Amino acid sequence: DADVTQTPRNRITKTGKRIMLECSQTKGHDRMYWYRQDPGLGLRLIYYSFDVKDINKGEISDGYSVSRQAQAKFSLSLESAIPNQTALYFCATSDLVATGELFFGEGSRLTVL
Amino acid sequence: AQTVTQSQPEMSVQEAETVTLSCTYDTSESNYYLFWYKQPPSRQMILVIRQEAYKQQNATENRFSVNFQKAAKSFSLKISDSQLGDTAMYFCAFMVLDDKIIFGKGTRLHILP
Repeated sequence: DADVTQTPRNRITKTGKRIMLECSQTKGHDRMYWYRQDPGLGLRLIYYSFDVKDINKGEISDGYSVSRQAQAKFSLSLESAIPNQTALYFCATSDLVATGELFFGEGSRLTVL
Repeated sequence: AQTVTQSQPEMSVQEAETVTLSCTYDTSESNYYLFWYKQPPSRQMILVIRQEAYKQQNATENRFSVNFQKAAKSFSLKISDSQLGDTAMYFCAFMVLDDKIIFGKGTRLHILP
């Protein structure tokens, strides 16, 4: 089983729908991240959390919200999806010592029609 | 704010050749980490190599090595004896200690048979 699991792997939805992307990890890491990948734009940070009570906005948090339900779970929500939120979304974790290595999930491809 | 710039959106080289991917970054910090991540067509993100800024010696991992020029804020990746399996997107990333990780826009590398 993967150390960082994202669900769903692929999702097609319509404009205005609420969408939740879920992430769970078995690595025991405190730090979790949500990134968005778009062609030509690389990975951009949406939100990150350094522990259960800590939530921080990244560079592109508008239109998104997150919930850290437990050390192992970090969910990303789109309250009212719009087409320009069509992208590949990655969840990642890193350890408290912060040596920097990110451990990624397999990505969730979201298409908003 | 820290930034990471990859000036080569796309590159192609013949199998067995050596290729160098460029990365520059901007920061006022003196202590940080730099990374190269690989994303093959499977879309999984894989850490290729990591460099601590306080170390003068360039990091090496088998066929992958870096040229870290701290004063110039440059962090290039050299792939020797390139193989077809090296075909991927390569992302340069930067992290100030105990902070979030920032990615460049990526370089798409094609290894030609």
